[in-house]
Amino acid sequence: GAVVSQHPSRVICKSGTSVKIECRSLDFQATTMFWYRQFPKQSLMLMATSNEGSKATYEQGVEKDKFLINHASLTLSTLTVTSAHPEDSSFYICSATQGGGGGSPLHFGNGTRLTVT
Amino acid sequence: QKEVEQNSGPLSVPEGAIASLNCTYSDRGSQSFFWYRQYSGKSPELIMFIYSNGDKEDGRFTAQLNKASQYVSLLIRDSQPSDSATYLCAVKGGSNTGKLIFGQGTTLQVKP
Repeated sequence: GAVVSQHPSRVICKSGTSVKIECRSLDFQATTMFWYRQFPKQSLMLMATSNEGSKATYEQGVEKDKFLINHASLTLSTLTVTSAHPEDSSFYICSATQGGGGGSPLHFGNGTRLTVT
Repeated sequence: QKEVEQNSGPLSVPEGAIASLNCTYSDRGSQSFFWYRQYSGKSPELIMFIYSNGDKEDGRFTAQLNKASQYVSLLIRDSQPSDSATYLCAVKGGSNTGKLIFGQGTTLQVKP
């Protein structure tokens, strides 16, 4: 099955610093990847859609200058949380779809637990 | 009205019983429907997906879809304690963007 690898799994950083999270599709090419955020006891909230070779599409309320997304290749997308603050502490999960069309299921990475102190 | 709605639970069932999880959605143009299971602190894992009205069975799991009622459900037969988790309903809209909208999830507790 499709495998999505996410790194790091856990990161602790100081307020004001930046953190980069990588998402890789290991056995398939993903023209589109999605970044979600999940706060404790809440559902997954879509942050942005990452398209290979073009700018990401951000959901309403998500600051594009704070959450920088780069999708440089068909197998790699990165999310950089810039000038992180404690309220950015959350579980960040990337996902990718294997096939074309609207029906293919999303496969998720293992997530990154970000703690900003 | 939320785009995808689930009862947060917890839903508690005894081991061996059938667990029934329900989900409604607001976008009538939605085409694809997914059920994910999420254990605490972990990322979601896909259980089933369904596109057409009716039932789809996979082992102990059955997904049911009724587009007219904008309703999708997941039945888990012979529930096991290891099935205890949060079950997320996700809907992919008709715009073909590929993005999934998730419900808040239903917490299932299977008691031995």
